Amino acid sequence: DGGITQSPKYLFRKEGQNVTLSCEQNLNHDAMYWYRQDPGQGLRLIYYSQIVNDFQKGDIAEGYSVSREKKESFPLTVTSAQKNPTAFYLCASSIDRAGGRELFFGEGSRLTVL
Amino acid sequence: DAKTTQPNSMESNEEEPVHLPCNHSTISGTDYIHWYRQLPSQGPEYVIHGLTSNVNNRMASLAIAEDRKSSTLILHRATLRDAAVYYCILRDVGGTASKLTFGTGTRLQVTL
Repeated sequence: DGGITQSPKYLFRKEGQNVTLSCEQNLNHDAMYWYRQDPGQGLRLIYYSQIVNDFQKGDIAEGYSVSREKKESFPLTVTSAQKNPTAFYLCASSIDRAGGRELFFGEGSRLTVL
Repeated sequence: DAKTTQPNSMESNEEEPVHLPCNHSTISGTDYIHWYRQLPSQGPEYVIHGLTSNVNNRMASLAIAEDRKSSTLILHRATLRDAAVYYCILRDVGGTASKLTFGTGTRLQVTL
């Protein structure tokens, strides 16, 4: 079945370590997004990519990095510069960037910094 | 960026209709209105979206005010499975930024 796969589902990391979260989609979507969600809060946009080899910062990009070398993959690296990385991370995609296109979300990755 | 305002929580009885409001007074003419819902520890799920006219699908109906400054998501018969956080967001039709910021949404509780 087509969809978005995020891995790992749960991840623990020590302070000062970088960690990379995987996001893969087989929907042939051009646009992909990364969100962060803290307990009881909404989703905040970290980075988004509208096409391969292109990406833009969202509202809270500091301490994060991304790449978009392949259409189906949009990995997110949480660097040691991110001061409060413990959160629920969600990846999403849409056919293209147009406003009338729905977003499809993965099941999320929960990162805990020890 | 245009923002949305929703009540923090609402309650409904099972089998009753539910009307979830959303205010977006700064909406631009090119913004689509999207609704998503999220169960605990899961990714959001698309519900419905529209631009100017009311929309219906198998999950819900979307009623858009004539001035487009507000909208209402209608669940015709709430079930326990509809208990979730519902988000109303705006998405630019041109996609020059396509930024999608989700607020805190409305937590819907459904009781027997």
